[in-house]
Amino acid sequence: DAGITQSPRHKVTETGTPVTLRCHQTENHRYMYWYRQDPGHGLRLIHYSYGVKDTDKGEVSDGYSVSRSKTEDFLLTLESATSSQTSVYFCAISEFDRSPLHFGNGTRLTVT
Amino acid sequence: AQTVTQSQPEMSVQEAETVTLSCTYDTSESDYYLFWYKQPPSRQMILVIRQEAYKQQNATENRFSVNFQKAAKSFSLKISDSQLGDAAMYFCAYRNWNAGNMLTFGGGTRLMVKP
Repeated sequence: DAGITQSPRHKVTETGTPVTLRCHQTENHRYMYWYRQDPGHGLRLIHYSYGVKDTDKGEVSDGYSVSRSKTEDFLLTLESATSSQTSVYFCAISEFDRSPLHFGNGTRLTVT
Repeated sequence: AQTVTQSQPEMSVQEAETVTLSCTYDTSESDYYLFWYKQPPSRQMILVIRQEAYKQQNATENRFSVNFQKAAKSFSLKISDSQLGDAAMYFCAYRNWNAGNMLTFGGGTRLMVKP
């Protein structure tokens, strides 16, 4: 299995609070991604990174920001959590732009 | 924008039988990859099989094979000799490098395997 660790595994937070999810990889892969999974939608891309300090938006980026200060860490921040951001969040990595994506085990976030 | 459609929300199969999961996609590109991912109850996303669009030969991985019809933009997954451990959500996904290297997923098909 690819060395990807997501933390926390579960989180419950209140509306309006900031939340940061962490993705840590030990594979030294260049590309990292954040997806959210909701029933009926499969997985949708939030943001991705193609190198340290190089990030770009995905299809559902509103309300989210990311940072990548080191190759191994990719952080996803919800500045002010809303109930619509209740979801399962997956981090993924790939070595090259044409390599398969390998996923972490996900973080279940509940915003009450 | 690319879209991926899985028209079967749920499927069931008898153990040891064969089942085919459907996937269609929409794209104007000629160079792309297609994937099937499996998600068991553990929530882990597991790559099952992938197909390069420029290859005419259908990909095969043990009991899993695909039927790739490029002109029809169809990419179905066939599971032979179904096992109880095959029960999971299955997601079809499309990837193209002109679209920001995004992996676009279908809505998923839940496969149940009956003993």
